[in-house]
Amino acid sequence: QKEVEQNSGPLSVPEGAIASLNCTYSDRGSQSFFWYRQYSGKSPELIMFIYSNGDKEDGRFTAQLNKASQYVSLLIRDSQPSDSATYLCAAIMDSNYQLIWGAGTKLIIKP
Amino acid sequence: SAVISQKPSRDICQRGTSLTIQCQVDSQVTMMFWYRQQPGQSLTLIATANQGSEATYESGFVIDKFPISRPNLTFSTLTVSNMSPEDSSIYLCSVEGQGKGTQYFGPGTRLLVL
Repeated sequence: QKEVEQNSGPLSVPEGAIASLNCTYSDRGSQSFFWYRQYSGKSPELIMFIYSNGDKEDGRFTAQLNKASQYVSLLIRDSQPSDSATYLCAAIMDSNYQLIWGAGTKLIIKP
Repeated sequence: SAVISQKPSRDICQRGTSLTIQCQVDSQVTMMFWYRQQPGQSLTLIATANQGSEATYESGFVIDKFPISRPNLTFSTLTVSNMSPEDSSIYLCSVEGQGKGTQYFGPGTRLLVL
């Protein structure tokens, strides 16, 4: 059973701090990893993807991947109230087209 | 990125009836996906729809209950048949972007079955 696991939260972070969202996956065949953000009542939107070990930065967002530990994380620097949303982690294998979704972590940024 | 529209945006239906949800994309795409999302839950893939071939259904979903059409590269429909209150959910279509795993989602159809 291929699984992607996330803490459902809510994770409460003060405005301006770093929000750290974590995700683990069970299938070592997973090759690429994605972070989607979903605002309440809205559809998911892709914010980051990563497929190599290490860090990938995009503005205030940094995705981190450690394939040996089967661990993916998303850091949000200088958190803003507008970052409050549910963050979904997903994984995919090169041999497949289907995303395996985590349950999502609800992030609350407190002003 | 693709722009995706869905119709209807929401509906309230009686049990035993059927509802067809439309998904329109502003560009040609090979792969389209249909998901269901219960409130506060993650996404559950119902099926993958490729143009010109039968949809591929995930475990727990069958064609008789969720028939899908994919007549061209910009359009798909999902029908929820013989509805029961358990079918109340948000139904989302998505399309694959330029990289595998990158998906763009429609706004969703909020379905309530009474």
